[in-house]
Amino acid sequence: SQQGEEDPQALSIQEGENATMNCSYKTSINNLQWYRQNSGRGLVHLILIRSNEREKHSGRLRVTLDTSKKSSSLLITASRAADTASYFCATARNTGTASKLTFGTGTRLQVTL
Amino acid sequence: DTEVTQTPKHLVMGMTNKKSLKCEQHMGHRAMYWYKQKAKKPPELMFVYSYEKLSINESVPSRFSPECPNSSLLNLHLHALQPEDSALYLCASSQDVRVPYGYTFGSGTRLTVV
Repeated sequence: SQQGEEDPQALSIQEGENATMNCSYKTSINNLQWYRQNSGRGLVHLILIRSNEREKHSGRLRVTLDTSKKSSSLLITASRAADTASYFCATARNTGTASKLTFGTGTRLQVTL
Repeated sequence: DTEVTQTPKHLVMGMTNKKSLKCEQHMGHRAMYWYKQKAKKPPELMFVYSYEKLSINESVPSRFSPECPNSSLLNLHLHALQPEDSALYLCASSQDVRVPYGYTFGSGTRLTVV
């Protein structure tokens, strides 16, 4: 399986602290994406980083990608209680007919007041 | 309209029932997807539709039958399901399967098979 592994599986921090989640994957990719999921409902797309990019920012989010190590990290700065959710990395790979998006195992983030 | 709408939100069905899940988007996206998610697990790809044609079937059992009547609608027909098929079924869309854009997901249908 090309499913990515994320660590930590769970992370508990206080409001205002930074949260870092890591993702490792096994095959070559076209891009890597991060999603947030609240309470087992739909996923929300956060950010996409292409395979030829090394770092990307969006608001309080910072994503890095190291294709030589097949790894990515998501940093959420100045966390808020509303950031409490599960976060998934997802790798996109072309199969010839379509691009497949495969999700990692996820990190459950708890931000307390 | 920047949403993917899934109906119903909850569904309980017996193993001999036939039911359908519906997904609709009006963003002009030409790629649509079905994912299955078990509790505390990541979503798993089931089907990919590109320009209303089935592009990828991830070896899904035939008791799941997808259908794309037009570019805005995606259905998943269910028949003779097993209790282990109970899960959250997520629909998603993107602009094009060949272009690296993020997916827009619906809120899902929580299916319970009894």
